[in-house]
Amino acid sequence: DVKVTQSSRYLVKRTGEKVFLECVQDMDHENMFWYRQDPGLGLRLIYFSYDVKMKEKGDIPEGYSVSREKKERFSLILESASTNQTSMYLCASSSPAGITEAFFGQGTRLTVV
Amino acid sequence: DAKTTQPPSMDCAEGRAANLPCNHSTISGNEYVYWYRQIHSQGPQYIIHGLKNNETNEMASLIITEDRKSSTLILPHATLRDTAVYYCIVPGLFSGGYQKVTFGTGTKLQVIP
Repeated sequence: DVKVTQSSRYLVKRTGEKVFLECVQDMDHENMFWYRQDPGLGLRLIYFSYDVKMKEKGDIPEGYSVSREKKERFSLILESASTNQTSMYLCASSSPAGITEAFFGQGTRLTVV
Repeated sequence: DAKTTQPPSMDCAEGRAANLPCNHSTISGNEYVYWYRQIHSQGPQYIIHGLKNNETNEMASLIITEDRKSSTLILPHATLRDTAVYYCIVPGLFSGGYQKVTFGTGTKLQVIP
């Protein structure tokens, strides 16, 4: 069974902390995505990576950075967490070969206090 | 990206067909339409995709109009477990030619007993 695993289901961090959200996929997919989901706003794309060490900004990259040192792992970094980054964060992966679907993790609910 | 428009919410009686519409009037000739759904507290799940012809799989059917400006996702016999938010997506492309999967706010389908 294909799997995208996010390291934490729930996380509480303090304002100003550096936060790492980890995502691992076991499907050998080239593409990986980070989204955040907020009530009334749907899922919004933060960053995308199409290969190791490669990244593209999504629609709301401000306040975030990413790291992709290995193909199976894609990390989202909040350099200095703020309360407006309290949200549900979802990771996804897909294969670029032809037309394929994206597989999602279960999400990390981050609360910044 | 081709913008998609969906009604914010719909109800459907259990056992009846659920027909979820989507407008994508700016879709270009080689862009696919994808449908995903998100059950509460889970990551989104791929349902189906299509280009021009109608498509069917074990989960749903997808009807695309001849001018491709709109589509309808059909759940032939809705069950309570089909209660979810349904997203219609026309992925765009990043500058490097990689697929950009952007979600809107979707349609919240409530299946009523």
